[in-house]
Amino acid sequence: AQRVTQPEKLLSVFKGAPVELKCNYSYSGSPELFWYVQYSRQRLQLLLRHISRESIKGFTADLNKGETSFHLKKPFAQEEDSAMYYCALETSGSRLTFGEGTQLTVNP
Amino acid sequence: DTGVSQNPRHKITKRGQNVTFRCDPISEHNRLYWYRQTLGQGPEFLTYFQNEAQLEKSRLLSDRFSAERPKGSFSTLEIQRTEQGDSAMYLCARAPGELFFGEGSRLTVL
Repeated sequence: AQRVTQPEKLLSVFKGAPVELKCNYSYSGSPELFWYVQYSRQRLQLLLRHISRESIKGFTADLNKGETSFHLKKPFAQEEDSAMYYCALETSGSRLTFGEGTQLTVNP
Repeated sequence: DTGVSQNPRHKITKRGQNVTFRCDPISEHNRLYWYRQTLGQGPEFLTYFQNEAQLEKSRLLSDRFSAERPKGSFSTLEIQRTEQGDSAMYLCARAPGELFFGEGSRLTVL
């Protein structure tokens, strides 16, 4: 069965510091992975998907099939990056399996 | 314009009552999804529709839950005989393209 694990529920960094949010997955098929973000009092929205291989708001994520990971990284965190981040795995019919989320706090 | 409108935004009900949530995609999208999110957890898939056909249901969707999409546009999610464990945020999303979520309907069962 598919599973997404985000080992850190809370992550706190200082502004300007690098940040890495960890995501590991378990899936027998070819994975399609996403990062979603939820800012305070806003809807859940797509941050990036691995197939597009693009950088959004300075964030990147690389799919490592050997380690079954899809960690989200940003070299210099900003205060406006403070949010809840969810890693998600797409299976059949565009159905997503989400991790439990990581609350990122960027301190001034 | 969020692309998906959900109503009501917050519903407080007593245990045993029935509740219904509605999801309106702003424009026509052939796939519509319902997810549930409880405190401290990520969203969990409940069901999805391709046009008016309900194609998949999670085992989380007990027989007290029913979802419909009668004309392939808006959808409703009804919960009968609510229990305190049903308290959660119910999220609707549309596709294709990126899965675009609405702001959710929060259910509180007293």
